[in-house]
Amino acid sequence: AQSVTQPDIHITVSEGASLELRCNYSYGATPYLFWYVQSPGQGLQLLLKYFSGDTLVQGIKGFEAEFKRSQSSFNLRKPSVHWSDAAEYFCAVGAADTGNQFYFGTGTSLTVIP
Amino acid sequence: SQTIHQWPATLVQPVGSPLSLECTVEGTSNPNLYWYRQAAGRGLQLLFYSVGIGQISSEVPQNLSASRPQDRQFILSSKKLLLSDSGFYLCAWSVLPGVNQPQHFGDGTRLSIL
Repeated sequence: AQSVTQPDIHITVSEGASLELRCNYSYGATPYLFWYVQSPGQGLQLLLKYFSGDTLVQGIKGFEAEFKRSQSSFNLRKPSVHWSDAAEYFCAVGAADTGNQFYFGTGTSLTVIP
Repeated sequence: SQTIHQWPATLVQPVGSPLSLECTVEGTSNPNLYWYRQAAGRGLQLLFYSVGIGQISSEVPQNLSASRPQDRQFILSSKKLLLSDSGFYLCAWSVLPGVNQPQHFGDGTRLSIL
């Protein structure tokens, strides 16, 4: 069965520091990969997606993610974090044999300290 | 541009009472619609999805039901709420079916059962 793992439940970084949020998936073929961000009490906003091609994808708000097939990973990065980046981040995976179902990770909560 | 609306934003209901949450999408036709429940620390769980009027697929057996009376309207209902129905409910839409289509989320409904 497909699964998504976000090993870090909570991460704290200083404003201006770099950020990397981890995501590992379990699926045999090439998956469709997404990162979403959720501010408190809000819905999810799509940051970026990977379908094929260049394994380094750029998203909104200065985020990027790299697909590494050998590691079954799709980690989210940002060179310099802003206080407004504090939120919950979700990795999601869709695979060809899952029909309409995405699999979401349990999320990583990001705190940014001044 | 497309927008998605959910209401109410928050709801407090007694155990055993009925439920009706509504979601509407504007600016697109024949969207695919989804209902998710988000429990703390557990990511998103797909409850229902719909590819057209009157077409509902259920992913999780429970005392909830969904209906799609109009092209851009998706309703989540229950005849008798349970304590375990508490959570954050999110509606989402996508242009086409399939897991290579990003989903766009509403702002959610916080449901508390007393």
